[in-house]
Amino acid sequence: AQSVTQPDIHITVSEGASLELRCNYSYGATPYLFWYVQSPGQGLQLLLKYFSGDTLVQGIKGFEAEFKRSQSSFNLRKPSVHWSDAAEYFCAVGVTNAGKSTFGDGTTLTVKP
Amino acid sequence: KAGVTQTPRYLIKTRGQQVTLSCSPISGHRSVSWYQQTPGQGLQFLFEYFSETQRNKGNFPGRFSGRQFSNSRSEMNVSTLELGDSALYLCASSRSGDGANVLTFGAGSRLTVL
Repeated sequence: AQSVTQPDIHITVSEGASLELRCNYSYGATPYLFWYVQSPGQGLQLLLKYFSGDTLVQGIKGFEAEFKRSQSSFNLRKPSVHWSDAAEYFCAVGVTNAGKSTFGDGTTLTVKP
Repeated sequence: KAGVTQTPRYLIKTRGQQVTLSCSPISGHRSVSWYQQTPGQGLQFLFEYFSETQRNKGNFPGRFSGRQFSNSRSEMNVSTLELGDSALYLCASSRSGDGANVLTFGAGSRLTVL
């Protein structure tokens, strides 16, 4: 079965600083990978996805993620964080014909002024 | 287009009661998945419905059940509520439920069990 690990429970960065959120997955084949963001009291919103092809994918709100097969990683990055980026971020893996996605435990991002 | 709509948004129940939550997917989406989100356990998959059939089920007791109607709307029911059932219940829809599909989430139904 597939699994997702987000090693960092909580990250604090200063506004304007760069950000990297880590995600490692476990799956035998190439998975479908997603990053979602959740603001307090809200559902999850898709930031970006990776299915195949270029291993660097661009998403909304200036986020990007890089798929590294050798490291089973799909880390999320942003060059300059804004206060509005404070939220919880979830990495997820989807498997074709499985009918569901498996989520990591999430990383809470705090942005210092 | 309209997003995924979940009702009610907030509800309070007491132990032993039962609750029904509703989810209206995006038009054209035939798959509806349900997740339970708690601070301690994170996002846990409950079940997934496609064309009125439950295709996948997570590791939850039989007190948790669901169904899907012909218009793809879905309901989930929790019977004999326990304190530990307090959670945010999220519904997500997708076109076919294939793992490659992006999930579109509703805002959730926050259940508090007293």
